[in-house]
Amino acid sequence: AAGVIQSPRHLIKEKRETATLKCYPIPRHDTVYWYQQGPGQDPQFLISFYEKMQSDKGSIPDRFSAQQFSDYHSELNMSSLELGDSALYFCASLLLKGEGTDTQYFGPGTRLTVL
Amino acid sequence: GQQVMQIPQYQHVQEGEDFTTYCNSSTTLSNIQWYKQRPGGHPVFLIQLVKSGEVKKQKRLTFQFGEAKKNSSLHITATQTTDVGTYFCAGPNYGGSQGNLIFGKGTKLSVKP
Repeated sequence: AAGVIQSPRHLIKEKRETATLKCYPIPRHDTVYWYQQGPGQDPQFLISFYEKMQSDKGSIPDRFSAQQFSDYHSELNMSSLELGDSALYFCASLLLKGEGTDTQYFGPGTRLTVL
Repeated sequence: GQQVMQIPQYQHVQEGEDFTTYCNSSTTLSNIQWYKQRPGGHPVFLIQLVKSGEVKKQKRLTFQFGEAKKNSSLHITATQTTDVGTYFCAGPNYGGSQGNLIFGKGTKLSVKP
């Protein structure tokens, strides 16, 4: 079965640079969530989109922005990167419409290292 | 605000021993989910419990949802090295849109062969 795809899998950036992370949800899934996970931490919710509209906003810094496109893929744009942004970034997708389920399916993650 | 708490934070067991992690919510939950994250991996959905007092089994894993739907547990019988990882519980985030989850801090299980 198709899973959530994230790219790139690894990314190394310098401080103050920008980064763009991409997420391709499971086909037919209409909802995308972005999480940030530091070492030994639980996933921290950043932002979510349902049917291409932002549905929830969590602890996402103002330096970050995201959107969901017409094909349902999503991009997380990170600017003015700081050392503390180094983390695993997960995307999760969900079919919300008509299913009534909360089960999120996580992608493999993008490991961002800021030097 | 709404909280989901998990204990213990870490658990070290000898292979063959049993393991249990507990999840407690500050609010009554419509459902609770469990995820497993292997070292270096991503959270993988294990199961969802919906009914009060529900018990579900997956081979050596037993999941329970409390009668008051505020707590849950995951019990692994006779752990194996393949059980290593962090187990997260998650419940609906009532401050967010449908589908938004609030995760516990997780219990990291290590198994000594």
